[in-house]
Amino acid sequence: QKEVEQNSGPLSVPEGAIASLNCTYSDRGSQSFFWYRQYSGKSPELIMSIYSNGDKEDGRFTAQLNKASQYVSLLIRDSQPSDSATYLCAVPNSGNTPLVFGKGTRLSVIA
Amino acid sequence: KAGVTQTPRYLIKTRGQQVTLSCSPISGHRSVSWYQQTPGQGLQFLFEYFSETQRNKGNFPGRFSGRQFSNSRSEMNVSTLELGDSALYLCASSFQGSTGELFFGEGSRLTVL
Repeated sequence: QKEVEQNSGPLSVPEGAIASLNCTYSDRGSQSFFWYRQYSGKSPELIMSIYSNGDKEDGRFTAQLNKASQYVSLLIRDSQPSDSATYLCAVPNSGNTPLVFGKGTRLSVIA
Repeated sequence: KAGVTQTPRYLIKTRGQQVTLSCSPISGHRSVSWYQQTPGQGLQFLFEYFSETQRNKGNFPGRFSGRQFSNSRSEMNVSTLELGDSALYLCASSFQGSTGELFFGEGSRLTVL
């Protein structure tokens, strides 16, 4: 069973700052990585996917993958109060569980 | 394009009862996965169905079961409910499989008294 670890937070950042969310995983063979955002009382929604080492940018979001160190991070530039949510890292598993989720990091952006 | 629809959204049951939850995936998606979400354990995988066949199953007792119909709609059933079954049950659909890009429904929040 793969493990996906995230700091539970809360991570508090001021509005306009960069929020950095980190995730480590146990299986060196993992090939794809996903970030989901979950607002309080809502269901998770996919916001980023990354498959190769390096950075992938989408608007204010940048996913960074370092397979050698087995971590993936999500940077949110110009953080807004509307970014306040729990961010879940997810990695596919070759075993019984198709997608293993970390427990999430709660982000709070303070206006 | 309509999203994933789950019913009912909220329900309250008592210990020992059973419950059936329904999920209609996005049109054209053949994979439906079910997850249980609790504050302490996070998102835990229950099972995945693809073209009416259970493709994967998580580490939950046999009281948890599911099925998928020919139109890809899926149901999950929990029998002999326990207090610990109180959770948000999320259904997610995907086009080919549940190994990455999942589209979640709003969930069914089950409270067991």
